[in-house]
Amino acid sequence: AQTVTQSQPEMSVQEAETVTLSCTYDTSESDYYLFWYKQPPSRQMILVIRQEAYKQQNATENRFSVNFQKAAKSFSLKISDSQLGDAAMYFCACQGAQKLVFGQGTRLTINP
Amino acid sequence: GAVVSQHPSWVICKSGTSVKIECRSLDFQATTMFWYRQFPKQSLMLMATSNEGSKATYEQGVEKDKFLINHASLTLSTLTVTSAHPEDSSFYICSARGLARKSSYEQYFGPGTRLTVT
Repeated sequence: AQTVTQSQPEMSVQEAETVTLSCTYDTSESDYYLFWYKQPPSRQMILVIRQEAYKQQNATENRFSVNFQKAAKSFSLKISDSQLGDAAMYFCACQGAQKLVFGQGTRLTINP
Repeated sequence: GAVVSQHPSWVICKSGTSVKIECRSLDFQATTMFWYRQFPKQSLMLMATSNEGSKATYEQGVEKDKFLINHASLTLSTLTVTSAHPEDSSFYICSARGLARKSSYEQYFGPGTRLTVT
C-alpha cells in the first residue's frame, strides 16, 4: 500500500518566477512509479511528469522538473518561468503494482 | 494517442433512479480500468478496479451493490449507480491502463462525469 502527502494546500507565485511543490510518499513496494498530475478547472487530469523509481536521474519536461530523493521518499515538482496557464490543482501520485494513490493536492495560483 | 472518453459528461437524475456512466478507451486496449470519485476540493479516491472479463475489485467502504461495474470488453467499462441518492452526487473519473503505445503501467484518464442527484 502507498500513502502520499502534500503538505501545501495552496501556493502562489508571480508570473515568470519559479515555484516548488512538495510531496512525500511511503510505499512497501520495491517497484513503483511517481507522477505529478495537473487538474485545471475543466477537471481533466493531465499528466505533467513521471518518474520511474528505479531511475536515479530526475525527470524533466520542458519547464517542469522533479527532485526525486528516494531515500527520503520525497518527490517535489519545480515549475520554472511560471505561466498563467499553469494555474490549477496539482496532485502528486504513487503507483505500485495495483493502485495509483493520490496526495491531497496543492492549488497553485499564478499572479500576473 | 491513449485517449479515454466518458459519457455522459454531466447527468442529473432523481433520487431512487439508476444512472449508467460509460468509459471507453478509444485507441488502445484497456486490460484494466479504474473508477475514481472526487468530491469538491478533494483528491481522487479509488472506488474499484476492473479487469476485462472478470469481476471488479472494490475498495474498502465502497458498496459493490450500489456501484455496479462491468468491464465487458477491452475498450468499454461501465459504472452504474443504483438507487441514487443526493449523497452520491460527485465527480466520477475513469482511467484505463493497458496496451497503450506509450507505456503499460501508466493510467490514462477520462474527462470525468458530474453526477447530480436531486
